[in-house]
Amino acid sequence: DTEVTQTPKHLVMGMTNKKSLKCEQHMGHRAMYWYKQKAKKPPELMFVYSYEKLSINESVPSRFSPECPNSSLLNLHLHALQPEDSALYLCASSLGLAGTDTQYFGPGTRLTVL
Amino acid sequence: GDSVTQMEGPVTLSEEAFLTINCTYTATGYPSLFWYVQYPGEGLQLLLKATKADDKGSNKGFEATYRKETTSFHLEKGSVQVSDSAVYFCALRELGNTPLVFGKGTRLSVIA
Repeated sequence: DTEVTQTPKHLVMGMTNKKSLKCEQHMGHRAMYWYKQKAKKPPELMFVYSYEKLSINESVPSRFSPECPNSSLLNLHLHALQPEDSALYLCASSLGLAGTDTQYFGPGTRLTVL
Repeated sequence: GDSVTQMEGPVTLSEEAFLTINCTYTATGYPSLFWYVQYPGEGLQLLLKATKADDKGSNKGFEATYRKETTSFHLEKGSVQVSDSAVYFCALRELGNTPLVFGKGTRLSVIA
């Protein structure tokens, strides 16, 4: 089973709202990732967690706050977003951080900020 | 820095046609190479991968061979179907804790 699940599938929020995106995997993977994908573009890396610790933060604005409560779960907390933050947010996981480790992606959450 | 260059799309083919999507890369080390596919409204799915020179990845009739001498990883399929219509991303990742570097993606449309 190579499944990564994400909830919700769609999310509409105002600029003053606080919401969270959730990601879950049960493959025993120890690395998890958040990506942002705009229309007709490749995914852009936001955060990397390894063994529940933040490993990479690609200079993401503080209105995005990641959290890894355990090895199976990854959250992305959203607050005071801007309309330009509207995008598909993808979660991924891999066995580890080795270059040969395949990243498996979830179906994404399509976020619209009004 | 590392980079991946894919042929510009969109690519439109008739059903049962032969498909080639070119991918070349620039890397400082010895990367692993991947092809991902994204169907409309969905996330990315791994299509195939290769981790060393001359490795051939294959899946669902798609193939790609890691060519170190030409720094290429071209995707091929002998006979495409309408269901293959999607965006295809070539990607690389160096050894260690490094990001996955994507090409810009190639949109494929297959018509009956």
